[in-house]
Amino acid sequence: NAGVTQTPKFRVLKTGQSMTLLCAQDMNHEYMYWYRQDPGMGLRLIHYSVGEGTTAKGEVPDGYNVSRLKKQNFLLGLESAAPSQTSVYFCASSRGRGRTEAFFGQGTRLTVV
Amino acid sequence: RKEVEQDPGPFNVPEGATVAFNCTYSNSASQSFFWYRQDCRKEPKLLMSVYSSGNEDGRFTAQLNRASQYISLLIRDSKLSDSATYLCVVSWGEGSGGYQKVTFGTGTKLQVIP
Repeated sequence: NAGVTQTPKFRVLKTGQSMTLLCAQDMNHEYMYWYRQDPGMGLRLIHYSVGEGTTAKGEVPDGYNVSRLKKQNFLLGLESAAPSQTSVYFCASSRGRGRTEAFFGQGTRLTVV
Repeated sequence: RKEVEQDPGPFNVPEGATVAFNCTYSNSASQSFFWYRQDCRKEPKLLMSVYSSGNEDGRFTAQLNRASQYISLLIRDSKLSDSATYLCVVSWGEGSGGYQKVTFGTGTKLQVIP
């Protein structure tokens, strides 16, 4: 079972460059999330989506945009990368109804130089 | 106040010890509760759900106290392999659609020492 798949796994960007992180889930989950994790900070929610075509801001949305054009995909965009966005990014999904445990992708390690 | 709060630790315990973590949540309408485990440089993975009556899975016991709005995780006979960060997770309904949003605590780091 694929579960939640993130691409790419690693990336190095120069300041000011843009990129898109892709998250795909094959569990027909309604909710999808993007988190960043920094040392000592735990998981911080960037944006999330409650269904196809919807997005909402999380705790730290500035500098990021997201889109959920298809139910199975949730894209995270960095329009102009900054060194402060160096982090490990995790995508997750959950059913949203009933049992709501979240399933995570393996993470994307992003370095902005 | 954060929606889900945990003591970040680290908790340094000797092998064989019993250790307990607590987690408090702010939303009294919370409906589902979980403990996740995250190993260094890996994604979080579900450790166990937390049920109202309390539940046990081997050396791990989870409890829920709705009146005081906290959940706990007890690990007995700690093993070196238990060293990880333990994340408290709570979900509650959002909006009128009946969907539940998952919220994570920042995690408690456990280091089991030989």
